[in-house]
Amino acid sequence: DAKTTQPTSMDCAEGRAANLPCNHSTISGNEYVYWYRQIHSQGPQYIIHGLKNNETNEMASLIITEDRKSSTLILPHATLRDTAVYYCIPFSNTGKLIFGQGTTLQVKP
Amino acid sequence: EAQVTQNPRYLITVTGKKLTVTCSQNMNHEYMSWYRQDPGLGLRQIYYSMNVEVTDKGDVPEGYKVSRKEKRNFPLILESPSPNQTSLYFCASRGQAREKLFFGSGTQLSVL
Repeated sequence: DAKTTQPTSMDCAEGRAANLPCNHSTISGNEYVYWYRQIHSQGPQYIIHGLKNNETNEMASLIITEDRKSSTLILPHATLRDTAVYYCIPFSNTGKLIFGQGTTLQVKP
Repeated sequence: EAQVTQNPRYLITVTGKKLTVTCSQNMNHEYMSWYRQDPGLGLRQIYYSMNVEVTDKGDVPEGYKVSRKEKRNFPLILESPSPNQTSLYFCASRGQAREKLFFGSGTQLSVL
């Protein structure tokens, strides 16, 4: 199972883009990269996922490097409500899932 | 509305008194799993189930049991709870592989 490395914390100004990096150098070929966030003690909320192509949805964009060893989650216009812990999670169809410590994003006015 | 429902939301119990935390999903998902979250340790997987009657250990299965007799339910059983099982618990489900996980709202368990 792939391990991940994320910065412990990051700050972002409200209205600016938030770029959250994740290193997953041991990811295997069949593992997708999922991003979730958790606000306070609520259940984690799905943001986006991808395999090797860049992805975009209404919440965020996901950039995956060509060698798939790292990825970046981009929140294009961060708001105060985006303050949360963000998790990058490699996940295959084996069922096991490792969350890691995540990045605490603080969006400041 | 598609959802994963956990009950109870809060539970206080005493050491050794058997308890069950229920988890139910209404999306006909095959995959379900349980996690515990502790300060400084993040979310750790306890058990998961790929389908009915198929369960496997996650990273921290000791002291827990699960069962998957029907697709929609995946209860977490603590036969003899201990204080080190005081934690915030989450259940999650997923349909086909590559689909997203849906999480429940969590169960805050305190074992005295």
